[in-house]
Amino acid sequence: GAVVSQHPSRVICKSGTSVKIECRSLDFQATTMFWYRQFPKKSLMLMATSNEGSKATYEQGVEKDKFLINHASLTLSTLTVTSAHPEDSSFYICSATEPGDTQYFGPGTRLTVL
Amino acid sequence: QKEVEQDPGPLSVPEGAIVSLNCTYSNSAFQYFMWYRQYSRKGPELLMYTYSSGNKEDGRFTAQVDKSSKYISLFIRDSQPSDSATYLCAMSVAGNQFYFGTGTSLTVIP
Repeated sequence: GAVVSQHPSRVICKSGTSVKIECRSLDFQATTMFWYRQFPKKSLMLMATSNEGSKATYEQGVEKDKFLINHASLTLSTLTVTSAHPEDSSFYICSATEPGDTQYFGPGTRLTVL
Repeated sequence: QKEVEQDPGPLSVPEGAIVSLNCTYSNSAFQYFMWYRQYSRKGPELLMYTYSSGNKEDGRFTAQVDKSSKYISLFIRDSQPSDSATYLCAMSVAGNQFYFGTGTSLTVIP
């Protein structure tokens, strides 16, 4: 099956710093990538949808200036959490898809902001 | 009304039992139906992917889609402790916008 990687798998940072998370589709070209946030024992919360070469579409309530998404190529999307605060601590998961196919998820990144 | 409804459980069964997980939906235009398995602190893993109605079997897993009732099921035969996870259903109209259930937490007791 299709493989999606995420890096880093875990990151701890100080409040006020920015953190970048990478999502890569390893064996297919992902025209669309999704970014999710998940709190413990809760469901996935879609943050934004990004199509290669265009601006991301953010879900209601997600600050686009806080969560910067770049989808510069068909195999790479990045999520940058700017000026992170403790309330941004969460599990961030990306997924990727190509036209007509389902979503394939990355392994997730656990962000802890001190 | 949510697009996709899924009982969150938790569901506990003894090892070897048959497990039935279900989702209902309201949008009759959904054509693609997925089941994902998510272990704690991991990303969801695709288990089953079906198009339109019917059954699909893969090892101990069987996915059923009943479009007339807007109801999908995942059956796990001979359940194992390693099947303990959260199971998410998902569906899509044309493979571009996806709707997820909230997930059902399953524990298989040895």
